[in-house]
Amino acid sequence: EDQVTQSPEALRLQEGESSSLNCSYTVSGLRGLFWYRQDPGKGPEFLFTLYSAGEEKEKERLKATLTKKESFLHITAPKPEDSATYLCAVLAQGGSEKLVFGKGTKLTVNP
Amino acid sequence: GAVVSQHPSRVICKSGTSVKIECRSLDFQATTMFWYRQFPKQSLMLMATSNEGSKATYEQGVEKDKFLINHASLTLSTLTVTSAHPEDSSFYICSAQDRSTDTQYFGPGTRLTVL
Repeated sequence: EDQVTQSPEALRLQEGESSSLNCSYTVSGLRGLFWYRQDPGKGPEFLFTLYSAGEEKEKERLKATLTKKESFLHITAPKPEDSATYLCAVLAQGGSEKLVFGKGTKLTVNP
Repeated sequence: GAVVSQHPSRVICKSGTSVKIECRSLDFQATTMFWYRQFPKQSLMLMATSNEGSKATYEQGVEKDKFLINHASLTLSTLTVTSAHPEDSSFYICSAQDRSTDTQYFGPGTRLTVL
C-alpha cells in the first residue's frame, strides 16, 4: 500500500531560522511527488512537482529535494508569512490518478 | 501558473435543499478533476474522481446519489449536494489535473453550512 509520512507534525521557528520538513514515502513506482502549502480556510497552493531521485526545485525561500525514499522541503530564512501547513503527496504508477497525502506539517514562524 | 476557481466560496442553505458548486480550470484543459472534503484540522478526504464525458468514480462510503458530479467539459466540473443536511456542512475543495505534468491544482474551496 502506498504511504506518505510527514515529520514533524508541527514546527515553530523564529524568523530567519532555517529548517527542513521531511516527507517519507513508499510507493509502487513513483510518477511524481508534490508539495503544497495550505493556509487556514483555503485550498492547497501548489509549490513543486518532483519526478526522479536527485531532482531539486527552488522558489524564493523554499527548496525541494527528492531521493528514492524521501523528500525534503528546505526553508531558508523564513518569514512569518511562510506560516502554513505544508502538504506532501505522491502519485503512483499503475493507472490511478489519485494522490496519496501525508498528514502535513504545520509551520509557525514567529517574528 | 495554473488557476482553478470555485464558486461560490461560501454558501448557507436550509436543510433539505440542494446546493451546486462549480469548479473551473481557467488556463488549461482538465480531463480529470477531483472533489475533496476537509473537516477542521484534518487532511483532505477524496470524495470522487471525475473524467470529462464519463461517470464519476466515488470513493468508498461516499453516496453517489447525494453528491452528484458532472464533468461536461474540459474546464468545468460541478458538485451538487442534494437534500443537504447539517452533517453535510464542510469545506469542499476541487482540483484539476494538468496531464502534461501530472500535477493537481486546487481551487480555493467552498464553505458549505447547512442550517
